[in-house]
Amino acid sequence: ETGVTQSPTHLIKTRGQQVTLRCSSQSGHNTVSWYQQALGQGPQFIFQYYREEENGRGNFPPRFSGLQFPNYSSELNVNALELDDSALYLCASREQGTTYNEQFFGPGTRLTVL
Amino acid sequence: DQQVKQNSPSLSVQEGRISILNCDYTNSMFDYFLWYKKYPAEGPTFLISISSIKDKNEDGRFTVFLNKSAKHLSLHIVPSQPGDSAVYFCAASVTYGNKLVFGAGTILRVKS
Repeated sequence: ETGVTQSPTHLIKTRGQQVTLRCSSQSGHNTVSWYQQALGQGPQFIFQYYREEENGRGNFPPRFSGLQFPNYSSELNVNALELDDSALYLCASREQGTTYNEQFFGPGTRLTVL
Repeated sequence: DQQVKQNSPSLSVQEGRISILNCDYTNSMFDYFLWYKKYPAEGPTFLISISSIKDKNEDGRFTVFLNKSAKHLSLHIVPSQPGDSAVYFCAASVTYGNKLVFGAGTILRVKS
């Protein structure tokens, strides 16, 4: 049983560009959440996907969008990158209906926007 | 609007002693609380949780205390070990809600 994996590990983009981050859920987990962790802060909820539909969204603008695929893997897309988008992006997976004790985080993707 | 606050950015403790990490919250709707531990280059890992119907939960060296009237929880680690050195995040949720609200984290250093 593999855990939650994310790719790429690091990437550097320039302001105005677009980026796609990827997440593979733990086997059997049908719910994926994305979080943004800025330097010196805790993770902030971006959105959650369940059965390929967005199932809750935090206080992030529409240029943050996502997808979930039939195999429960997920993508986070960010358009028109801004300097403040520089952060660690974490995804987490769990089975819908279970507690957060059963949620597992991936190692994150470190995004730097120049 | 920081609904979950960890007011101590860092804590340094001698090996074998008790580590106490604190967390305050403002949203009275929160009824489920978790502590996560995070090492560099890794995602947060679940440590221990507590439901609002309890005031204490223990798991080995880790105990979480919840004071609902004060909207305060704390994590006690006894005895502290050098391997406990990490960033600790407090998080809160509504049971079966769709998101966790995290504090800013406390860096714990356990000196040997």
